[in-house]
Order: sequence, then structure tokens, then C-alpha cells
Amino acid sequence: NAGVTQTPKFRILKIGQSMTLQCAQDMNHNYMYWYRQDPGMGLKLIYYSVGAGITDKGEVPNGYNVSRSTTEDFPLRLELAAPSQTSVYFCASRRQGANTGELFFGEGSRLTVL
Amino acid sequence: SQKIEQNSEALNIQEGKTATLTCNYTNYSPAYLQWYRQDPGRGPVFLLLIRENEKEKRKERLKVTFDTTLKQSLFHITASQPADSATYLCALAPLYNFNKFYFGSGTKLNVKP
Repeated sequence: NAGVTQTPKFRILKIGQSMTLQCAQDMNHNYMYWYRQDPGMGLKLIYYSVGAGITDKGEVPNGYNVSRSTTEDFPLRLELAAPSQTSVYFCASRRQGANTGELFFGEGSRLTVL
Repeated sequence: SQKIEQNSEALNIQEGKTATLTCNYTNYSPAYLQWYRQDPGRGPVFLLLIRENEKEKRKERLKVTFDTTLKQSLFHITASQPADSATYLCALAPLYNFNKFYFGSGTKLNVKP
């Protein structure tokens, strides 16, 4: 199993550009999440999904959109990139029924908006 | 929302000693508290979960305590090794909602040989 795979690992965007961060998991997990991690700050939840076709907002959803058309994929879309979106983005997944609530994280996507 | 405090200063200890990291929280009392390890440039890796009705949980050289009166969790690594050097994050969630984990900013642990 590859686990949770994120692409790209690094990206530089200009202000106002758009892009999609890709996330795929091969563990057949129902739950998937997008977090951002700023230096010296905790992980902040952007969006999450409890299954294909179902998404919900987290703490910091503004400026982002998500979709979940399959169990495996959970892309994060940035529209009109702003410098405040410079961050490291982590995708995570969780197995339904896991009594530890363990999150499996990808390796992260480092985004810089200039 | 939940406010979670972890010591932002790095903890430096000697190999073989016990490392103790602190996670303090305010507002509501979480039902679940997790600890993760994060290495530079990598995603967090799950270590342990402790529930509000559990005072202590152990896993190999790791021990976690959960004091709902003090609103604090302590994370201990006994017989620490240089390979334990990493940032350790705590995460809290309310009852019946693993979708709402709030993360602390983490404490960096440096274990010197």
C-alpha cells in the first residue's frame, strides 16, 4: 500500500492563479481531510469528507474548494491564490470504525504564493 | 473553538533520560486526545490515543496521561534515544466526533547522544 499520496510536493504560484492539490489513498478509507500547517502553528482543518459525494467545512475553508467523486481521491482547489495561502498542506484519511481515530497523513504539499 | 497549548520552546535532553512533553487545553473538555510524531518535511504519524475516562495509556517506551481536572496531558518517552528527536503534536476531539480533531503546534524534542 502506498497509503496517502499527495501531488505536487512543491509549487510556487503567483497571486490570483488557481491550482489543485491532488490527494489519493489506497486504503479504502471513508474519511478524508485537508489540513494546512503554518510555521509555529497547529494543523488547521480546511475541509473534510465522510464519503464519496459528501464534504463539509472545517475551521478555515475560505479560499478553498473540494470535491469527492470517488473513495480514493480528494482534491483541494485553490481559486485566486493569495499570499495568506502560503503554507504546507496535508491530506489525511481515516478508517471508519477505527477506535483510535488514527489519521494517516500524506507527505505534504508545500505551496508558496508570491 | 478549542485552544491547545504546547511548549513552543524545544526540549533538549540527554540520551537515556525521560522526556516529558505537555499539552494544555482550554474551553470544552475533549473526549479523545491523540499524540503524533512529525519529522522534518514529513506528515504526522499517529502514536497513541487516550480517552477521557482513561488516566494513563502505555505503549512500549511511551506513556500518556490525561488529567481532565487540570486540562492537561503529559507525554513521556522513557530511555530516550537520538532517534526520538522529532516534533510531537497533541490533538483533541469531542465525544463521538473524530472529524473534529484540533491540533496543537507541537513541541520539538532533541535527544543528545
